[in-house]
Amino acid sequence: DIQMTQSPSSLSTSVGDRVTITCRASQSISTYLNWYQHKPGKAPNLLIYAASSLESGVPSRFSGSGSGTDFTLTISSLQPEDVAIYYCQQSFSTFSFGGGTKVEIK
Amino acid sequence: QVHLQESGPGLVKPSETLSLTCSVSGGSINSYYWAWIRQPPGKGLEWIAYISDTGYTRKNPSLKSRLAISVDTSKKQFSLTLSSVTAADTAVYYCARQNYRDPLFFFDSWGQGTLVTVSS
Repeated sequence: DIQMTQSPSSLSTSVGDRVTITCRASQSISTYLNWYQHKPGKAPNLLIYAASSLESGVPSRFSGSGSGTDFTLTISSLQPEDVAIYYCQQSFSTFSFGGGTKVEIK
Repeated sequence: QVHLQESGPGLVKPSETLSLTCSVSGGSINSYYWAWIRQPPGKGLEWIAYISDTGYTRKNPSLKSRLAISVDTSKKQFSLTLSSVTAADTAVYYCARQNYRDPLFFFDSWGQGTLVTVSS
């Protein structure tokens, strides 16, 4: 099984700040990595697929990078509507998710 | 825009069988894979299984012995049954569409989730 580890588990920062979330895989997964945003009581929302491809309709302030075992989700300028939990997910060998990163506004 | 909606009992007794159905609307059930994912309280997301429109399935090995998944394309529904449940199966259960863009799969539409509690 491929284990996915996210850091930090939570963060609190100001509107307009740059936010970086990291995800590490227990083995190389090439770019078989997706990112989701999950707001309480709502369906999770796909943000990024294949490590760096922006899903249609997702604001351009979201970006993804990385390959192999280390990946990053960046929000270039945090907005109030970005308060959510963010998950990475690998599709290299069936599927597994990271533990999530809770993003809050300070 | 495809819409997914989970339905089923919110309370199941220990040792009994959990049954959920996902209804697909606003899009075709054909030519896609369909997945179940769950999230126990305070924990992360866990992939359970997926099924194709033609009935091909793949299951999480940790749940495989207790798990059945089926699809009814005429009703645009797919279903999950999990037998011999325990408190550890208490979770929000999500259904999702599993899409493919070369070279990988991702979940591009999700239901809102349904909480299933295992308790006597």
